[in-house]
Parts: sequence; structure tokens; C-alpha cells
Amino acid sequence: DQQVKQNSPSLSVQEGRISILNCDYTNSMFDYFLWYKKYPAEGPTFLISISSIKDKNEDGRFTVFLNKSAKHLSLHIVPSQPGDSAVYFCAATLSDDKIIFGKGTRLHILP
Amino acid sequence: EADIYQTPRYLVIGTGKKITLECSQTMGHDKMYWYQQDPGMELHLIHYSYGVNSTEKGDLSSESTVSRIRTEHFPLTLESARPSHTSQYLCASSLAFGELFFGEGSRLTVL
Repeated sequence: DQQVKQNSPSLSVQEGRISILNCDYTNSMFDYFLWYKKYPAEGPTFLISISSIKDKNEDGRFTVFLNKSAKHLSLHIVPSQPGDSAVYFCAATLSDDKIIFGKGTRLHILP
Repeated sequence: EADIYQTPRYLVIGTGKKITLECSQTMGHDKMYWYQQDPGMELHLIHYSYGVNSTEKGDLSSESTVSRIRTEHFPLTLESARPSHTSQYLCASSLAFGELFFGEGSRLTVL
């Protein structure tokens, strides 16, 4: 039973536009959420995170929004750049440090 | 810049062979993890360690074993490889809560 769900396997966005990646979760006890980015043949790299006590966190072109009542978070990338083409994993964690990942969304930035 | 290394990057072996996937980090992190990932699927935690002589099984059942004799080293061993073990294995370490640093992965194919 998946606790972290990324329902869109892939997403294509025009360069310069906004990319919005979505993630839903089922466990209301999750207290920390993260986004990781993965290029082919490489390990995932940490991108941005948000604590459950916040509803928004921004870092440059990347913003993560958290809607606890809907158990939903999203990653916004604006403007999208060719180097953003990658697989993005949503992840959530409880206080025991175990991180649970979604299946990932493959983002294609179109020229 | 994260310094965590995995060897081998790619391995093709026959059924019944014993293999060890190596993972080393030079950041002095106490926490280390092994994840297993199949294409298009989430990362599944199979083993983790919170320090020397500490090892625990993750959420996904695995026939592999791990050891943590030194802080920097967290090898994973399969005593008798089978085709069902074909997958990508990702090693990670962390210092701060939730922020994992991943190696580049070891892609294992068992014939």
C-alpha cells in the first residue's frame, strides 16, 4: 500500500514555463517532506524540503507547497530550464528517520 | 559536495554467486542506508544503520545482509544471487534529519 503517491509518471513542459509536480500522501503523521531529483545513471540528489508546520518553502526557482488538510504537496519550478529534465521523487518521513519515496515523475523540458 | 562511493557501478553475474556491493562515505555520517529501486518504481529501504555495529532491516524484505564495522563503510552482501535480485541498489548517508546523500548506484543483473 503506497503511502506516498505520484500519480503522473511523466510531464512535459515548455522551456521557460512553470513545471508543477504533484504528490499525495496517506499518513497524516508524516512530519517532513522532501523532493529529490535523479538523472539517469546517477543517484538521487536532494532538492528542497518542507516541515509539516509550514505551508511553503522557496529556494531560488524551486518552491514546495504543502496542503496538510488535503495531504498534498507540490513542487513548482519556474522558469523551467533544459537541465531540469530528470525524474523527481517526492518523499516523506516520520520522526524515526525512515524516508518513504514515491514512484517518481519524469519531467521533460521541451525546447 | 557529497562524497559517497559505490562499487561496482554495473555487475552481471550468474545465479548462485556470492556478491558484495561496496559503499563508502568520507563525510563522517553516522546514518547509512541501502535502497533498492526498479525502473519506474519507488525506492524501497532494505537496510539501514545508525552507527558502528548497528544494522536494521528496512521495510522491504531482502535476502541480503549488511555490516557496519567502520563508520565510513556499509557493504551489502548477497550469499547466493538469483534473477529476482536484479535491480538497482542505492547507498545513502545522512547527517541532518531527512537529507540523504546518495551514491551513484550499483546496477545488478543476475542471469
